[in-house]
Amino acid sequence: NAGVTQTPKFQVLKTGQSMTLQCAQDMNHNSMYWYRQDPGMGLRLIYYSASEGTTDKGEVPNGYNVSRLNKREFSLRLESAAPSQTSVYFCASSEETANTIYFGEGSWLTVV
Amino acid sequence: EDQVTQSPEALRLQEGESSSLNCSYTVSGLRGLFWYRQDPGKGPEFLFTLYSAGEEKEKERLKATLTKKESFLHITAPKPEDSATYLCAFRGGSYIPTFGRGTSLIVHP
Repeated sequence: NAGVTQTPKFQVLKTGQSMTLQCAQDMNHNSMYWYRQDPGMGLRLIYYSASEGTTDKGEVPNGYNVSRLNKREFSLRLESAAPSQTSVYFCASSEETANTIYFGEGSWLTVV
Repeated sequence: EDQVTQSPEALRLQEGESSSLNCSYTVSGLRGLFWYRQDPGKGPEFLFTLYSAGEEKEKERLKATLTKKESFLHITAPKPEDSATYLCAFRGGSYIPTFGRGTSLIVHP
């Protein structure tokens, strides 16, 4: 019962460095999402993929890129990390965009 | 613009002291209301989905209800293990849920 798996769990980056957060789901879901969670701000959608081969911007897409590699995997890339991107990142998936969203365990990212 | 407001921001209860959490929304064309529980250092865990006013769902000590403008999460006789942050989210016409900022619940033994 893995569900949604994210890697890495923790990462420290220097300003300007790049990195990719990986996400995979084993529930055969069509839709996948990347959220960030900051104190006092709640969960904010960065990007989502309604189905394999499509991606769309969410509420806070600036500074990020995504790739829907296949039906199972959806990665989030920070090309040039900034301290404002220090946050907890959650990957999630749902059967379709109209269905319940299930979350991974989170990736803690610190940019110094 | 779709908005979701949760209240209170924080709630402290004694074990056995029942209470309710509120989630109000301004969403056009409601297509679902979701409640999640989030423990420290973990991802949100799905609890309930409600789709129409008047609908109720229960799970152990938790009961979620929905009206046209708000949802309540009722906690009956809570235990310390119910301590967590409870998140609600509304899905409107865009199909992408809008999340509230959560209510942090602490239940003291």
